[in-house]
Amino acid sequence: GQQLNQSPQSMFIQEGEDVSMNCTSSSIFNTWLWYKQDPGEGPVLLIALYKAGELTSNGRLTAQFGITRKDSFLNISASIPSDVGIYFCAGRKSGGGADGLTFGKGTHLIIQP
Amino acid sequence: EPEVTQTPSHQVTQMGQEVILRCVPISNHLYFYWYRQILGQKVEFLVSFYNNEISEKSEIFDDQFSVERPDGSNFTLKIRSTKLEDSAMYFCASNMPSGRVTTGELFFGEGSRLTVL
Repeated sequence: GQQLNQSPQSMFIQEGEDVSMNCTSSSIFNTWLWYKQDPGEGPVLLIALYKAGELTSNGRLTAQFGITRKDSFLNISASIPSDVGIYFCAGRKSGGGADGLTFGKGTHLIIQP
Repeated sequence: EPEVTQTPSHQVTQMGQEVILRCVPISNHLYFYWYRQILGQKVEFLVSFYNNEISEKSEIFDDQFSVERPDGSNFTLKIRSTKLEDSAMYFCASNMPSGRVTTGELFFGEGSRLTVL
């Protein structure tokens, strides 16, 4: 089946540092989504990307949809304690509809005091 | 803000028992999904549902699983005879149409933790 390779698996950073994580795939996705999951809760949508090359920001978060449609990155600037959690990339073959999301394995962000 | 709600938040069951997990999707959404997440692993697609029928399902969604929309608000996942490996967090999600084209954005509930003993 389709697989998304997400890296890094975990990150240990200091508060205030910038963070970068990415996802790559061997197949094309027409939608890329980035989610954050806190312990014991469901994924919460951060950013949705629909066009190759698209760069979208949501506050301190910036994500880009790769030109080849096979990759995406998420940057977090000036990290704060509430950024701690697991970040998942997810791809869809379509721009919407009934097809399911394929998730990456997640990047666990840990902020050291 | 509208949200997807799921019950129960945690269910413990004996192997071989039937389990029904319930979801109330966001009210004007038309596409519904179930995903599962085994502890410490990634979120995996199980099934999507639209217009009162299954649209897509993954290889995980075998004959032990079924979904139903029994009324205008609930969306259920039934596991007929639970196995130990069914222990996981099960997430319901829904998707809103925008005109004739849905957006790609799925909104997830907080999940139902299933523990099979």
